[in-house]
Amino acid sequence: GENVEQHPSTLSVQEGDSAVIKCTYSDSASNYFPWYKQELGKGPQLIIDIRSNVGEKKDQRIAVTLNKTAKHFSLHITETQPEDSAVYFCAAKGGGSEKLVFGKGTKLTVNP
Amino acid sequence: DGGITQSPKYLFRKEGQNVTLSCEQNLNHDAMYWYRQDPGQGLRLIYYSQIVNDFQKGDIAEGYSVSREKKESFPLTVTSAQKNPTAFYLCASVKGQGNQPQHFGDGTRLSIL
Repeated sequence: GENVEQHPSTLSVQEGDSAVIKCTYSDSASNYFPWYKQELGKGPQLIIDIRSNVGEKKDQRIAVTLNKTAKHFSLHITETQPEDSAVYFCAAKGGGSEKLVFGKGTKLTVNP
Repeated sequence: DGGITQSPKYLFRKEGQNVTLSCEQNLNHDAMYWYRQDPGQGLRLIYYSQIVNDFQKGDIAEGYSVSREKKESFPLTVTSAQKNPTAFYLCASVKGQGNQPQHFGDGTRLSIL
């Protein structure tokens, strides 16, 4: 089955800097890759997703890149703000599967 | 407002007791999912259901049971057979099949008394 590895597990940046979180997946048939942000005591919220027919997607300060050959995808947050502090999860959905497989999460801290 | 409602927010279980966690959605979504979240472990799939009266085991189904009698509701029962039930439980739903995002509730935190 699918396996998703996420790095780093913790990330601390200064306000205004960029943050990058990387994930790798094992199933070459995977074709959908969402990213979620989870604040303390809340459920995960979708922030951006990408499908396997595109290599990059942007939404204001957030971007995701996908390298299907290398089987990895990354989340990029520019001009970070303290409210970006949260736990971020990547996930992958295999072709023909209705299940998402999640990475173990990255705790991002943005220091003012 | 449409959304997913999980209740209660906090739940305590005594030894040997079954407890049921509620998940209701008014998004008219077809599929619903239950995940368990432990610190540093990410989200692990317990059960999921793509249509009413049908559900499948996920990766960690032992000690749990579900039902899907209505499209809007997908309750999870944590049985006494689940020896380590302390965790944060998350319910999610998604519209149809294919590559659509899952929408999550705000979770139930279950603890042992």
